[in-house]
Amino acid sequence: DTAVSQTPKYLVTQMGNDKSIKCEQNLGHDTMYWYKQDSKKFLKIMFSYNNKELIINETVPNRFSPKSPDKAHLNLHINSLELGDSAVYFCASSPRDQEQFFGPGTRLTVL
Amino acid sequence: QKEVEQNSGPLSVPEGAIASLNCTYSDRGSQSFFWYRQYSGKSPELIMSIYSNGDKEDGRFTAQLNKASQYVSLLIRDSQPSDSATYLCAVNMGGGSYIPTFGRGTSLIVHP
Repeated sequence: DTAVSQTPKYLVTQMGNDKSIKCEQNLGHDTMYWYKQDSKKFLKIMFSYNNKELIINETVPNRFSPKSPDKAHLNLHINSLELGDSAVYFCASSPRDQEQFFGPGTRLTVL
Repeated sequence: QKEVEQNSGPLSVPEGAIASLNCTYSDRGSQSFFWYRQYSGKSPELIMSIYSNGDKEDGRFTAQLNKASQYVSLLIRDSQPSDSATYLCAVNMGGGSYIPTFGRGTSLIVHP
């Protein structure tokens, strides 16, 4: 009965590859998010989806593309991976303007 | 540029003491304020949310909000070694934004 789940938990890949991270929430929340947390632990918003509509994209390279097949899922697809993409990626969901519930994170390592 | 500022620390306190964590924000129209705790290697989890001026208490935790001075703080009474973590302040800015801006976090160390 996990509230927000992500797969995979670890992802190790070569530069130039394309990869996807999946996220699902069973909380019935309207809004889902993707965050990137770098080695300095700064949590940076990447995307937010509200009722399947993208409502923010914070200067993220267009190699990153969020895809939401339905209200409970927000997947992150990354093309042409670069060394600088190595980080922990967190999915989260929330009711509007309230606290966020985070998934366990996906640690991405680009070699 | 909408910003949330926190002292990165580490803040070191002895077991049983009060730990005081502070956060300032730039957008005067901000409406919602949150404190999250993040243990090393884990995801952030909500500790407290606060929406109006004043104090809000939950067990050993007290959140304090002062919108006029644009700061929000978190007090942890009777600090325990298990409280050692990074504490993230998050603010939902004004203008109808539902997107929180996070501070860089304060590392708290509670030593026995």
